[in-house]
Amino acid sequence: DGGITQSPKYLFRKEGQNVTLSCEQNLNHDAMYWYRQDPGQGLRLIYYSQIVNDFQKGDIAEGYSVSREKKESFPLTVTSAQKNPTAFYLCASSNILGNSGANVLTFGAGSRLTVL
Amino acid sequence: DAKTTQPPSMDCAEGRAANLPCNHSTISGNEYVYWYRQIHSQGPQYIIHGLKNNETNEMASLIITEDRKSSTLILPHATLRDTAVYYCASSNFNKFYFGSGTKLNVKP
Repeated sequence: DGGITQSPKYLFRKEGQNVTLSCEQNLNHDAMYWYRQDPGQGLRLIYYSQIVNDFQKGDIAEGYSVSREKKESFPLTVTSAQKNPTAFYLCASSNILGNSGANVLTFGAGSRLTVL
Repeated sequence: DAKTTQPPSMDCAEGRAANLPCNHSTISGNEYVYWYRQIHSQGPQYIIHGLKNNETNEMASLIITEDRKSSTLILPHATLRDTAVYYCASSNFNKFYFGSGTKLNVKP
């Protein structure tokens, strides 16, 4: 079945450590995204990539880094510069639907990061 | 860029229609409206989207006002399994702007 796989599902990190969250998709989608979700809040965009070897900052990119070396992979690194990294992280992918401009996101199951 | 706002919670009786509102007063002419739902600690699931016209699929109906400043997601016969957080979002191609979500409680 096609879909998006995020790993690990749960991750604990000590302060000052970098951590990388994996996101892999087999949907042949061009665009991939990383969102952060905090309790009781909506989804906030961290980074997105429309094509291999290109990515753009979202609304809350500070303290995060990404790479897009392969179409199917878009890993997110949470660096020690991120002041409040404890959150639920969601990866998504999409393709533009025909010529309409509509763009449906498919989400992974998420990764929950806790800083101890 | 559009900002979407939603009520934080709503109750609905099982078997009745659930009507979830969303305001997107700054939406531009080429931005679509999307609805997703999220069951606790899972990834959001796509429900429906629209631009100007009302839309219906096997899951729900979407009503968009003529001025496009608000929309309503309708679940025609809510079941207990429809209890979730429902997110409204607007998008122009690759950037999505999500509301803070409405927690729908379907009660027996």
